[in-house]
Amino acid sequence: AQSVTQLDSQVPVFEEAPVELRCNYSSSVSVYLFWYVQYPNQGLQLLLKYLSGSTLVKGINGFEAEFNKSQTSFHLRKPSVHISDTAEYFCAVSARYPDKLIFGTGTRLQVFP
Amino acid sequence: NAGVTQTPKFQVLKTGQSMTLQCAQDMNHEYMSWYRQDPGMGLRLIHYSVGAGITDQGEVPNGYNVSRSTTEDFPLRLLSAAPSQTSVYFCASSLGTLRGYTFGSGTRLTVV
Repeated sequence: AQSVTQLDSQVPVFEEAPVELRCNYSSSVSVYLFWYVQYPNQGLQLLLKYLSGSTLVKGINGFEAEFNKSQTSFHLRKPSVHISDTAEYFCAVSARYPDKLIFGTGTRLQVFP
Repeated sequence: NAGVTQTPKFQVLKTGQSMTLQCAQDMNHEYMSWYRQDPGMGLRLIHYSVGAGITDQGEVPNGYNVSRSTTEDFPLRLLSAAPSQTSVYFCASSLGTLRGYTFGSGTRLTVV
């Protein structure tokens, strides 16, 4: 079975500072990895995904993530955050079979002015 | 396009009552899933479906039933509500997991 661990439940950061949200996964088979964002009182939106190929993937709103197979990690980064990035971020994993999406516990990013 | 529509948005139930959370999508997505979101626990998969007539259990299926008679609809049934089922429920649909899921706006359920 696949699982993900998000190492930080909350990450406070000042506006225009860089941020990294950490995600580690566990699986005995090849996986696909995703980051979703949830703004207050809304459903989730897909930020970016890693399926294969280049290990550095770029997503919406200036976010990027790097797949590291040896460290089983898929950390999310942004070089300069904005107040509007305040949200909860979820790392998720899937395998080819069974084709279901499993989420981590989430990281709340709080951006301060 | 309406996307993924969940009804109701809010619901209060008494322990032991049953109810159905509705989920409908108009994007002709084969994949549909139900999640519950609880503080500190993220989203946990309850049941999912990869097409009409096909359903499977997720991480926390106990106390919930699903069926998928059409591509568009994927209702979630609570058979006998318990306080532990107090949560926010999200329905999601996709052309396939690798394409990314579209989420509904959620149903906030309180069981007293």
